[in-house]
Amino acid sequence: QLLESGGDLAQPGGSLGLSCVVSGFTFSSYAMGWVRRAPGKGLEWVSSVSGSGATTYYADSVKDRFIISRDNSKNTLYLQMSSLRVEDTALYHCARSVRSSGWDAAFDLWGQGTMVTVSS
Amino acid sequence: AIRMTQSPSSFSASTGDRVTITCRASQTVSSYLAWYQQKPGKAPELLIYAASTLQSGVPSRFSGSGSGTDFALTISCLQSEDFATYFCEQYYSYPPTFGQGTKLEIK
Repeated sequence: QLLESGGDLAQPGGSLGLSCVVSGFTFSSYAMGWVRRAPGKGLEWVSSVSGSGATTYYADSVKDRFIISRDNSKNTLYLQMSSLRVEDTALYHCARSVRSSGWDAAFDLWGQGTMVTVSS
Repeated sequence: AIRMTQSPSSFSASTGDRVTITCRASQTVSSYLAWYQQKPGKAPELLIYAASTLQSGVPSRFSGSGSGTDFALTISCLQSEDFATYFCEQYYSYPPTFGQGTKLEIK
């Protein structure tokens, strides 16, 4: 099970931190990612992190603004978002990769998501 | 980035119908393609990966085909619980990209 939290209303230029607590599997054995869906739009991959947390990957649209991390001792995935833009408004899902590392794999387990709204 | 184009964007069908959704990549993705189902307010679910491999627990009425740039998801006999939005995703080339979705509605 994956349970996201932290979504909220934020102002443009502001910051927000998302968390995803997982249960039911060995967290450190899987790469994890964040995927978002803006209102009325499709899914967009945001970021991924390897099982160890050593390697991270970002979409160009969020690079240098978002930071993905994980605490394997707490079974928790994080996404720290800064310099938020209106276009970051979306439902953010955390998702489990079928692999332990890399970005190049499908996601086989997803959370229901947490809503981030960026507006003045 | 590779652009994934699904068709149709939406359509209506009846329970028991056989339906096919297509996904076209702007350049080859080999067989690195997944299909997901998402219902309103729910988490997406993985149906197919590696273009044609059925994810564990997914009913056998779902099947995937294709390679290179053209792919299809077929539902052999629509059930009421299949009315949802379907997305394809390529994970061959960085960054991974999704199609815009196909909304399947009840006729």
